[in-house]
Amino acid sequence: KQEVTQIPAALSVPEGENLVLNCSFTDSAIYNLQWFRQDPGKGLTSLLLIQSSQREQTSGRLNASLDKSSGRSTLYIAASQPGDSATYLCAALGRGLGQNFVFGPGTRLSVLP
Amino acid sequence: EAQVTQNPRYLITVTGKKLTVTCSQNMNHEYMSWYRQDPGLGLRQIYYSMNVEVTDKGDVPEGYKVSRKEKRNFPLILESPSPNQTSLYFCASSFASYNEQFFGPGTRLTVL
Repeated sequence: KQEVTQIPAALSVPEGENLVLNCSFTDSAIYNLQWFRQDPGKGLTSLLLIQSSQREQTSGRLNASLDKSSGRSTLYIAASQPGDSATYLCAALGRGLGQNFVFGPGTRLSVLP
Repeated sequence: EAQVTQNPRYLITVTGKKLTVTCSQNMNHEYMSWYRQDPGLGLRQIYYSMNVEVTDKGDVPEGYKVSRKEKRNFPLILESPSPNQTSLYFCASSFASYNEQFFGPGTRLTVL
């Protein structure tokens, strides 16, 4: 059964720093991996989707990489801003008969002005 | 505006009183799913639907029912709610399971 973990659970950085969030999954047979942000009391907003055949995706200051062989994905945020403060979640879609998503527990990011 | 809507946004009910949480999307998506989010347990998939009349269990389907009679709607039914179903519920949709998912705003359910 797929398990997804995220390290660290929480992170606090000063504004302007570059940072990396980590996501690990136990079953490398995935269709894709998706990164989301969740603001307190709100729904999830999709940030980046990496298909299993891709190694990375970029959107603005965000870059996500995928290494299926090691069961890892990273989300790189450049020049962090206070508006980046949120919880970041990754989710893996399995390749099995069940097309179900497994989410990690999230990393709570605080960017201090 | 392309969106996923859920109703109600907040609901307080009592044990055993049947309820339905509606989910609707206007993006012509084929894949829809329901999640619950609990502190310390994260987001867990309850049910998903690959298309009209096609539904399947996720990781935590016990105590829930779904139906997909129309492409745009995917209601979540709790026939006999219990306090352990108190949670924050999210509906999501995408063109297919392997495409970008769009989430609704969430429904906070409390079962007394």
